Amino acid sequence: GNSVTQMEGPVTLSEEAFLTINCTYTATGYPSLFWYVQYPGEGLQLLLKATKADDKGSNKGFEATYRKETTSFHLEKGSVQVSDSAVYFCALIIQGAQKLVFGQGTRLTINP
Amino acid sequence: DAGVIQSPRHEVTEMGQEVTLRCKPISGHNSLFWYRQTMMRGLELLIYFNNNVPIDDSGMPEDRFSAKMPNASFSTLKIQPSEPRDSAVYFCASIIQQGGNYGYTFGSGTRLTVV
Repeated sequence: GNSVTQMEGPVTLSEEAFLTINCTYTATGYPSLFWYVQYPGEGLQLLLKATKADDKGSNKGFEATYRKETTSFHLEKGSVQVSDSAVYFCALIIQGAQKLVFGQGTRLTINP
Repeated sequence: DAGVIQSPRHEVTEMGQEVTLRCKPISGHNSLFWYRQTMMRGLELLIYFNNNVPIDDSGMPEDRFSAKMPNASFSTLKIQPSEPRDSAVYFCASIIQQGGNYGYTFGSGTRLTVV
């Protein structure tokens, strides 16, 4: 089946630290990959996406590269800010399908 | 565009009562999804509609849950009777597919507490 596995949280970093949140997937078809972010008390917002192998999605300083050979889509940011504190979800959708499959989420806390 | 609108934002009800959650998708989006989020189980897809027709309700936990989409601009998720274990945040999302650019948009959610 289709599934997404994220690194366990919570993750706590100091401001300006380098961030990596690991995400790997299994898919029966050819997936598009996403990172969503959920700020406290809010719904999920699309952070970035990649629709084919070797694509790099980027937004707000975050990046993730679609690695088909390792079935991964790790999220990175070079210098985190306190405002990046949120829960991050990796997700996939099989092209031609409609259901978005989420990982379990990783809670990130950035301390000043 | 006002985005996906959910109401109410918060609902507190007593066990055994009927609860109705509401969702207005983005105009022009043709698919609508109901998710439930809890600490223990994360995000769970309950049901989704395509062009107002329920496509997959395999995630609906039991017969106490029902969902309808009478038209393209409105959907409800009903729990009758409610139980404390139904306490969660319920999200609605809508989507339009355009050449692979999947525009999933989530509402702000309804936080349900059943006491």
